[in-house]
Parts: sequence; C-alpha cells; structure tokens
Amino acid sequence: ELKVEQNPLFLSMQEGKNYTIYCNYSTTSDRLYWYRQDPGKSLESLFVLLSNGAVKQEGRLMASLDTKARLSTLHITAAVHDLSATYFCAFFGGSNYKLTFGKGTLLTVNP
Amino acid sequence: DAMVIQNPRYQVTQFGKPVTLSCSQTLNHNVMYWYQQKSSQAPKLLFHYYDKDFNNEADTPDNFQSRRPNTSFCFLDIRSPGLGDAAMYLCATSSRYRGVEQFFGPGTRLTVL
Repeated sequence: ELKVEQNPLFLSMQEGKNYTIYCNYSTTSDRLYWYRQDPGKSLESLFVLLSNGAVKQEGRLMASLDTKARLSTLHITAAVHDLSATYFCAFFGGSNYKLTFGKGTLLTVNP
Repeated sequence: DAMVIQNPRYQVTQFGKPVTLSCSQTLNHNVMYWYQQKSSQAPKLLFHYYDKDFNNEADTPDNFQSRRPNTSFCFLDIRSPGLGDAAMYLCATSSRYRGVEQFFGPGTRLTVL
C-alpha cells in the first residue's frame, strides 16, 4: 500500500521562527509535490521536485527531496502570518497517474 | 490565461436531488481528474479521464458518475446526494501521465440539506 507520512499534522509557531515539515513516502518516486491550501480554497502548487537532491526556494519556503531516504522537507524561515495555511505533500508511486497525498500540515503562525 | 474553471463555485442541493458539477480547461490537457475533499482531509481521487478513457477508483461509490464530452469539459454527476457527500469537489488536469504536475481548479463547495 502506498503511504505518505507527513508530520507534524498541526504546527503552531511564532512569527520569526523557523520550522520544518517532513514528508516520508513508502515507495520509489522521483516526483514529489508540495501544495498549499487556504481555508475554503483549492490547492495551489508550491514546488515540484523532480530528482534526488532537488532543492527549490520561494520566499520563506524551501523544499528538498532525498529519494534514497524517501524524504522530502518543507522548511519555513522566519515565519510570517501570511504563511498560515494547510500544506500537503504528494507523490507518484506505483502508478502513472495517481497522486498519493499526505494528510496535510495545518500551519498557524501567531504574531 | 490558461486555466481550470469550475462551476458553480457553491452548490446547495437537497438530499436525494441529483446535481451536476462542471469543469472546463483551456490548457488542452489530456487528463482530467475529479477529487473529493472533506473538511480537514486530503483530497481523495474519485476518477479520471485519459482522453476519452474513463477510469474509476475502486472505492468510488456508484452514486458518482462522470462525463467528458470533449477535451475541454468534464462533468461530475451525483445521482442521489447524501449528507455524507457534502464536500469540496476539485477538478484537476495534467498534460499526460507519468508524474506530470496536476493543475487544480478553484473547487465547488457542495452543501446537502
């Protein structure tokens, strides 16, 4: 069974702090995606990671992929309130078409 | 701008009254997906089309059907909505299989009274 373990599921942090969200997946994959979802909204694509060692950065968010460890991370630097949202990782594994999603991390950034 | 459009954005229906949700895309993508997302959960794939080929997920209830009359449009029909079908329904597209990024529409929030 394909699995994605995302943790933490809930993250409350203060503005200005750093933190990392982890995404472990159960089978070989070289395609890992991070999405952001605001309450009541759809999924917004943040990062597409296509190879081992890939690292991408956008503003205060940085994502990385280690295919050997089957691990992706989403690092938040100097968090601001606008980053409050739910973040999902997802990967293709064992199937050509089906994304397997993590359960999501609800991030709340407090002033 | 190329995009994925869903209509309506909000749909209220009565228990047992059929409802149809619409998705259109200007991306000319081969693959279209329908997801159901309930509160505080990850999206759950219901089915997808690769061109005209329909693929149903094994655990998708028979109450849910889909049509794709052409490349641009795809419809989700819920024949007899129950209270448990209240959710956000997301349409997504991709240019092909094999690990290509999926682009999501804005979603339709379905309420069942």
